Parts: sequence; C-alpha cells; structure tokens
Amino acid sequence: DAGVTQSPTHLIKTRGQQVTLRCSPKSGHDTVSWYQQALGQGPQFIFQYYEEEERQRGNFPDRFSGHQFPNYSSELNVNALLLGDSALYLCASSYHGSSYNSPLHFGNGTRLTVT
Amino acid sequence: QKEVEQNSGPLSVPEGAIASLNCTYSDRGSQSFFWYRQYSGKSPELIMFIYSNGDKEDGRFTAQLNKASQYVSLLIRDSQPSDSATYLCAVSNAGNMLTFGGGTRLMVKP
Repeated sequence: DAGVTQSPTHLIKTRGQQVTLRCSPKSGHDTVSWYQQALGQGPQFIFQYYEEEERQRGNFPDRFSGHQFPNYSSELNVNALLLGDSALYLCASSYHGSSYNSPLHFGNGTRLTVT
Repeated sequence: QKEVEQNSGPLSVPEGAIASLNCTYSDRGSQSFFWYRQYSGKSPELIMFIYSNGDKEDGRFTAQLNKASQYVSLLIRDSQPSDSATYLCAVSNAGNMLTFGGGTRLMVKP
C-alpha cells in the first residue's frame, strides 16, 4: 500500500517563475495538507484541501495556491517565486471522516531551490 | 499567535543513556500532540502521539503530556547513534492542522 507520494523530488527555479508541485494521498485518504519547511525550521502549515476546496489556510500570501482533483490528488502552485520560497515542501494526507486526532504521515517532500 | 517552543540543541547524550526532549505550547485548546523524527535531508517521520495527560510508552519511546503546564516531552531510553536526528514537536486542536516547534537536534555519541 503506497503511502503519500510527491513529485518531483527536487526542483530548481529562477526568481519570478512559477512552480507546480504534486501530491498523491495514501489510499483511502481524501484530505491533503501542504507544509513548507525552510532550512533549520519546523514545517509551517500552508493549506488543506478536502472535497476539492481549500478548507484551512495558514499565514501564506496569495502567491501560494492549490487544487485538489476528484481522485483526491493535489497540486501546490507558487507564483512569482522569491528566494525565500526555497524550502522543503511537504504533503500529508488524512481521512476526513476519522477523528481530527488522526496522526499525519508525510510524503518524502519536494526540495525547491529558487536562484 | 499559537506557538510551540523547543530548545534547538544540540542535545548530546552518550550511547545507552536516556535522552529527554521537551516542548511547550501556548494554545490551551490544543488536544493532540505529536513527535516527529527528521533525519537530515529527509521528511519528518511520526514516532509518537499522545492525546491524554500522562505517559504513553512505545518501545524505547515514552511521550509525556501535562496539559495544565502546557508541556509535552519525549524520552528515548537506551539511546543509539541511529537516534541522532532532529525531533519535532507538533500540536493540533482541530482539523489536523499541525503547529510545529523548531525542533531539537539530538546527538547520540558512541
């Protein structure tokens, strides 16, 4: 049973460009959350998608947007990249119908470098 | 603003010793508490979670929660060099939105 899968694993972009990161949830999960982890810091919540809608959002600018597809997979889009967007982007999935206490398991992440 | 605080370390312990990692949180509404281990360059791996006051043991790991003091800790018994990593404390109150601390770097010396 595959866990959370993310692609690509590494990405290098130039300032001002746009990037799309992808996430496939674990089988049976219908909710996807995205986190940003800058070097030396803990992950920060970006947003969460359920039923193809953004349900919760952290303190991130509108340059960060997302999408969830009918098969529950998700994309994270970042526009007008800044050097400070360089980070490890993590995806986690869960089942909405379970207790809110459900532990989150992360994918392997996408390392984004902005030059 | 909801905060989770951890000592950044490094915490250095000899092999076989008990490592004690601590975390405090500011949101009294927090209901779920998690410990993740993260090796350099890798994604966080869930190792323990606790919901109720008291202790929860799983193998060499024990999580301790004191909601009155807003304090959660992780004890690692018989520490091994392979336990050397950054340990992230995370809390949530609802909706599986986690707030993480900055992590504590643990070094276990042979």
